[in-house]
Amino acid sequence: DAMVIQNPRYQVTQFGKPVTLSCSQTLNHNVMYWYQQKSSQAPKLLFHYYDKDFNNEADTPDNFQSRRPNTSFCFLDIRSPGLGDAAMYLCATSRGGTTGSRNEQFFGPGTRLTVL
Amino acid sequence: AQSVAQPEDQVNVAEGNPLTVKCTYSVSGNPYLFWYVQYPNRGLQFLLKYITGDNLVKGSYGFEAEFNKSQTSFHLKKPSALVSDSALYFCAVRPRLLSGGYNKLIFGAGTRLAVHP
Repeated sequence: DAMVIQNPRYQVTQFGKPVTLSCSQTLNHNVMYWYQQKSSQAPKLLFHYYDKDFNNEADTPDNFQSRRPNTSFCFLDIRSPGLGDAAMYLCATSRGGTTGSRNEQFFGPGTRLTVL
Repeated sequence: AQSVAQPEDQVNVAEGNPLTVKCTYSVSGNPYLFWYVQYPNRGLQFLLKYITGDNLVKGSYGFEAEFNKSQTSFHLKKPSALVSDSALYFCAVRPRLLSGGYNKLIFGAGTRLAVHP
């Protein structure tokens, strides 16, 4: 089945120690997103890639970076995690294009990040 | 500012009874409307969407939603609730662009549905 895969499902890191979360997809979607979700709140969009074009949200801290080496993979790098960065991180994909706004997003299972 | 409101933090319903989870929005134009469900420690799952046409949209797991343009609402409904429907439900809205391109989803705060046996 086509899907969005996130690894690892659970990640523990130390305060200030860089961490990378990964996302892969078999849907061949050209748009990929990273969301941060804290304690059952609405997901907060950090950034997205439309093909190779990176789009950062205005309020995303510089501590968060992303890479998309190819269509299938996207990475979230947290350069110096703080206690406030502990959250669920969700990757999602969707089909872009001229009618892209009507397309639903497909979410991965998430990575729960703990910062000690 | 564009926003989505889910006025109830939690909805409680007995199994077998109909359920409604409310959503209203304040977004210009004729936006696209979505419902997602999230089970514990999982990502969001798409349930249904309204693009155009019939105001009653049918989706996954027996859910449906009714679009009301005059009230700018998109309430989620199910005729007979199951205990397994207990989860967190998010309404989301995406502004419609005339020339394609991209607009991000605007999420409501979420409503926790609890279905009791």
